[in-house]
Amino acid sequence: AQSVAQPEDQVNVAEGNPLTVKCTYSVSGNPYLFWYVQYPNRGLQFLLKYITGDNLVKGSYGFEAEFNKSQTSFHLKKPSALVSDSALYFCAVRDLPQGDYKLSFGAGTTVTVRA
Amino acid sequence: DAGVTQSPTHLIKTRGQHVTLRCSPISGHKSVSWYQQVLGQGPQFIFQYYEKEERGRGNFPDRFSARQFPNYSSELNVNALLLGDSALYLCASSPSLNTEAFFGQGTRLTVV
Repeated sequence: AQSVAQPEDQVNVAEGNPLTVKCTYSVSGNPYLFWYVQYPNRGLQFLLKYITGDNLVKGSYGFEAEFNKSQTSFHLKKPSALVSDSALYFCAVRDLPQGDYKLSFGAGTTVTVRA
Repeated sequence: DAGVTQSPTHLIKTRGQHVTLRCSPISGHKSVSWYQQVLGQGPQFIFQYYEKEERGRGNFPDRFSARQFPNYSSELNVNALLLGDSALYLCASSPSLNTEAFFGQGTRLTVV
């Protein structure tokens, strides 16, 4: 079965400092990995994806993520965090060999960026 | 361009009632998925439809059903509502089955 773990419930950083949100995954085949962000009382907003190719993926709003197959990780990063990055972040995985296209989400990580 | 639109945005129902949630995908998108997000948790997969056929079903009871119409819009139906059905219901659309999904703002369902 496919699954995602986000080991940190909360991440707190100062504005201008690097931001990292951790994600590890478990799949039976090759993973398709995604990051989404959710602002209060809103739906999920797509940030970036890894399908194949370069392990470093660049996405929206200055975010990037690094795919590490040996560590089964897909950590989200931003070199310089903004107060407006404060939100709930979800990592998700899709495992095609299972025969369906569902996304399995982690429990989410709340990011707080203080001014 | 309009994103994924869901209606209604908020809904209050009584236990035992039935509810229908509606979703209009982004123009040109043929796949629609439904997710349930309980407060404090990540979204849980309910259904996926592509070209009006069900292509995936999550671990939800038969009280949950859905369909996709010829214009690719979709409905999620829940019968015999329970208090535990209170959640944010998210609809997502994508151009095909294996691309990123774009989510609507959700329908907040409260069962009292």
